[in-house]
Amino acid sequence: AQSVTQPDIHITVSEGASLELRCNYSYGATPYLFWYVQSPGQGLQLLLKYFSGDTLVQGIKGFEAEFKRSQSSFNLRKPSVHWSDAAEYFCAVGAGNNDMRFGAGTRLTVKP
Amino acid sequence: NAGVTQTPKFRVLKTGQSMTLLCAQDMNHEYMYWYRQDPGMGLRLIHYSVGEGTTAKGEVPDGYNVSRLKKQNFLLGLESAAPSQTSVYFCASSYGGRATDTQYFGPGTRLTVL
Repeated sequence: AQSVTQPDIHITVSEGASLELRCNYSYGATPYLFWYVQSPGQGLQLLLKYFSGDTLVQGIKGFEAEFKRSQSSFNLRKPSVHWSDAAEYFCAVGAGNNDMRFGAGTRLTVKP
Repeated sequence: NAGVTQTPKFRVLKTGQSMTLLCAQDMNHEYMYWYRQDPGMGLRLIHYSVGEGTTAKGEVPDGYNVSRLKKQNFLLGLESAAPSQTSVYFCASSYGGRATDTQYFGPGTRLTVL
């Protein structure tokens, strides 16, 4: 079965600094990859997803992610972090909505 | 348009008690899902439904039952709650079941079983 590893449990960055959240996956076929964000007390919101084609995917709120097959990675990036980006971020892999595997999440803290 | 709503938001149960969590969506979605979220483990799928009157097991179905009597509602039941079921429960819905069909999540229900 597919699986996802998010190596960083907690990351702290200063407002205005760049951000990269790591995600590694294990999947036997071509993966469908996702990044979700969960703000405190809220449900998950889809940031972006990759199915095929261009390996650099643009999402909402200024986020992007790059699929690297050779490294089995799908890292999330943002050039300049805002205080409102403080949240928990989940990477997921799956071939269908009833077949999704989520990572354990990375909590992002933004320092003023 | 409320999206996906969940009732209740918080609940405390004693071991052995039963309860039902209600999920409602107003987007006319066919697919609905129940997940649990535990620290350090991300979300895991409990049960899902591909349409009114149909349900299927997910990754962690034991100890839970579900029903989808109306298209807009998806109920999650705990017949005899156990401390291991202390978790945050999320409902989601999607138009279809493919990975290309975005899932929309509710705000969650925090359940504590003593």
